[in-house]
Amino acid sequence: DTEVTQTPKHLVMGMTNKKSLKCEQHMGHRAMYWYKQKAKKPPELMFVYSYEKLSINESVPSRFSPECPNSSLLNLHLHALQPEDSALYLCASSHPPGGGPAYNEQFFGPGTRLTVL
Amino acid sequence: AQSVTQPDIHITVSEGASLELRCNYSYGATPYLFWYVQSPGQGLQLLLKYFSGDTLVQGIKGFEAEFKRSQSSFNLRKPSVHWSDAAEYFCAQTNFGNEKLTFGTGTRLTIIP
Repeated sequence: DTEVTQTPKHLVMGMTNKKSLKCEQHMGHRAMYWYKQKAKKPPELMFVYSYEKLSINESVPSRFSPECPNSSLLNLHLHALQPEDSALYLCASSHPPGGGPAYNEQFFGPGTRLTVL
Repeated sequence: AQSVTQPDIHITVSEGASLELRCNYSYGATPYLFWYVQSPGQGLQLLLKYFSGDTLVQGIKGFEAEFKRSQSSFNLRKPSVHWSDAAEYFCAQTNFGNEKLTFGTGTRLTIIP
């Protein structure tokens, strides 16, 4: 299985809602990533988990709360979002970098298209 | 800090014509380089990657890229494009042990019949 899956595909939420994005992989990867991508822009890194521990937080607002309950699953909890948070949210996974070049290859999921009203 | 430059924001090519997309990376002793393709509203698909060794790398869908250390470049090429190649293309760089993948700004490819 060389796939990263993300659910839901689309999400529409109001500014007072609480919702979660889910990402799953079964490639044995121990590093997982959340990216935010606005239209016509490259992905921007938000969080990195390595061995289920948060290793990078790119100064993301606290209304985004990541969680890595096990080595296969990554969640992004959303609360009190703003309309400017509307974007495509991409999840990726890889082996933890440092074990060799192939460990740096990230595999991306299809993304969740988030719209905040 | 790492940086990746894709000088061409938008390229239009006729179907069947050859293609070259440019990418320049920042200096690094051992850069790991990638080309990803993204169709509208979709995730990123890896086309090819370079870690070391042969400087001409072959990828999926008939794409290839050449690593030129002297020019800090990793240009993507295809001898004959198909209408289905219309998409956004991102060049990306990282280094040994680095969790961060630095993306270029992307090149949008349009194919005309």
